[in-house]
Amino acid sequence: KQEVTQIPAALSVPEGENLVLNCSFTDSAIYNLQWFRQDPGKGLTSLLLIQSSQREQTSGRLNASLDKSSGRSTLYIAASQPGDSATYLCAVRRGGSNYKLTFGKGTLLTVNP
Amino acid sequence: EAGVVQSPRYKIIEKKQPVAFWCNPISGHNTLYWYRQNLGQGPELLIRYENEEAVDDSQLPKDRFSAERLKGVDSTLKIQPAELGDSAVYLCASSRTNRDREQYFGPGTRLTVT
Repeated sequence: KQEVTQIPAALSVPEGENLVLNCSFTDSAIYNLQWFRQDPGKGLTSLLLIQSSQREQTSGRLNASLDKSSGRSTLYIAASQPGDSATYLCAVRRGGSNYKLTFGKGTLLTVNP
Repeated sequence: EAGVVQSPRYKIIEKKQPVAFWCNPISGHNTLYWYRQNLGQGPELLIRYENEEAVDDSQLPKDRFSAERLKGVDSTLKIQPAELGDSAVYLCASSRTNRDREQYFGPGTRLTVT
């Protein structure tokens, strides 16, 4: 059974800092890995998706990397802003016929002005 | 393009009462998912529909939960009777197909059972 772990559970940083969120998964037979953002009382917004054959994806100040063999991914946020405050969730999608998405518990990020 | 619509946004009920949640996916999306998200946890899949067919309901507690997607468009998730442990956020998501890269999530329904 796939298990996804995110560290740290919570992170508080001053505005302008660069930061890294970590995600690990136990079964490396994945189809892709996705990072989501969840604001309080809202649904999930997809940030970056990395296919299993890729090593990284970038969007603006966000960069996600994937090391499938070691079961790890990182989300790098450059020059953090108060508007980045949210919960960040990592999810892995397995291959085969099911394509089930398994989520971690998330990292609660607070960026202080 | 309108996103995934869910209603109600919030629901408070007493235990043993029934409750229903409604979801309207993005137009043209054939695959619909219901997830449950407990406080401090990531979402967990309850059921996946391909058009009107439930193709993965292995995580749905069938003794009290039921779902339907009669015309392959909008969907209803029902709990009867509700228990205290059912308090959670119920998220609906949709994608064009199950192989599609992106799942688009609705805002969720926050259920509180007292």
